[in-house]
Amino acid sequence: GAGVSQTPSNKVTEKGKYVELRCDPISGHTALYWYRQSLGQGPEFLIYFQGTGAADDSGLPNDRFFAVRPEGSVSTLKIQRTERGDSAVYLCASSLGEGQGSNEQFFGPGTRLTVL
Amino acid sequence: AQSVAQPEDQVNVAEGNPLTVKCTYSVSGNPYLFWYVQYPNRGLQFLLKYITGDNLVKGSYGFEAEFNKSQTSFHLKKPSALVSDSALYFCAVRGVSGGSYIPTFGRGTSLIVHP
Repeated sequence: GAGVSQTPSNKVTEKGKYVELRCDPISGHTALYWYRQSLGQGPEFLIYFQGTGAADDSGLPNDRFFAVRPEGSVSTLKIQRTERGDSAVYLCASSLGEGQGSNEQFFGPGTRLTVL
Repeated sequence: AQSVAQPEDQVNVAEGNPLTVKCTYSVSGNPYLFWYVQYPNRGLQFLLKYITGDNLVKGSYGFEAEFNKSQTSFHLKKPSALVSDSALYFCAVRGVSGGSYIPTFGRGTSLIVHP
């Protein structure tokens, strides 16, 4: 696995439904980030994991959003009771955990979520 | 709070001409600064970063950026643009101190290189 992978690449759902988005980071990267990107905007931070724990979840917009990383590798972003405003591209990134934040991030191709 | 400004939504340049994509930042203390490029339907791809040391940083694909502390800027440059450089470019900043490893991204600048 050369890079960060995300599945599915596209997800269309109906308002009120539950969705799960998966991220598989680069092997050995302990830091994992979720972002949301809307058209014409830069990535907007959602949550950051260091290992298995969420080190910073201050970007999650509300309690409908939740993310896990149970074994310190694959992460799943979960959205309950989806709303049309949740439509966006959800990006995952990973990086080496050490380095006091000086390490660059490696991004996946994103999951485009459309809520009808 | 940290922030990034990319004042130009779009930059147009002719192939072979030099290009500059502007970025200014605001952060408490010293910054870590990054440039990423995004091609259509792809994730962001790292270009270069400033951590410390020499203010002129060289990166991938012939790009470079100059850190200017007094102007709080980190403009991306390339001496001779290629049509294949056409993409969306994002500047990002992290504060060195404060314990937050969360970068803040700018809104992005669309670079269009004309043949």
